[in-house]
Amino acid sequence: QLQLQESGPGLVNPSETLSLTCIVSGGSIRNTRYYWGWIRQPPGKGLEWIGSIYDSGSTYYNPSLKSRVTISVDTSKNQFSLKLNSVTAADTAMYYCARHAVWVRGVTITGTWFDPWGQGTLVTVSS
Amino acid sequence: QSALTQPASVSGSPGQSITISCTGTISDVESYNLISWYQQHPGKAPKLMIYEGSKRPSGVSNRFSGSKSGNTASLTISGLQAEDEADYYCSSYAGIVLFGGGTKVTVL
Repeated sequence: QLQLQESGPGLVNPSETLSLTCIVSGGSIRNTRYYWGWIRQPPGKGLEWIGSIYDSGSTYYNPSLKSRVTISVDTSKNQFSLKLNSVTAADTAMYYCARHAVWVRGVTITGTWFDPWGQGTLVTVSS
Repeated sequence: QSALTQPASVSGSPGQSITISCTGTISDVESYNLISWYQQHPGKAPKLMIYEGSKRPSGVSNRFSGSKSGNTASLTISGLQAEDEADYYCSSYAGIVLFGGGTKVTVL
C-alpha cells in the first residue's frame, strides 16, 4: 500500500526558505504514470495546489507561487521535495504531499486527481 | 479566489440524501471528467472520494456519487451517516489545478 510522509521544520523565520520532503513508501516513485504533488491548507481555510513533478524532473507550478517555488525529485531515495522561499506569515499552513494522477490523451489532459495523501505537516512562519 | 464555487454548508438528517454543488469551468463532458471530490475530517488529510467526475476509488462507499448538470458538477451522499460529517472539496483542472472553497456537511 502506497504511503507518503512529509517531513521538515515546523517553524520557519519570515523571509527565509521553507523546505519539506515527502518520502514515498510501498511503491516506487519512478517509472510510473503519476506526478507527485504538493498542496497546502492555511488554518481554517481551503486547499491550494502548489505544484507537481514527474519522475523525469518535469514540473508545473501554480502561477501564484511559481516565482518562489522549487519542487525536485530524488528517485534514488524515493522522495520529492518542496522549497518555498521568501516566506511570510501568509505561508503558514498545513502542507500535504500526494500522488498526482494526470492522464493525457494526445495533448489534452483527460483526468487528474490526488490519491493517496500524506498526513500533512504544519509549517508556521514566525520569528 | 477559487474559480470553483461550492456552498459553504449543507446539512441533512441521518438516512437522507444531500447534494453538494461545484460550479465553474465545467462546460462539457471533457472538463467534467477532470472533476474530483475529496472528503476531509477535522485534523485529517483529504481523502479522494470521486475522480473523473463520477468514478469511485476502491473502498469508497457506493453512497457517494458524482454527476453533472449543465455547468455544475455535484456530489451526492445518499443514506447520510454520522461519519459523513466532514468538509468536502471539489477539484478540477483549467491550466492549473483548482480547488473549490469547500463545503461543510453537518449531520443533524
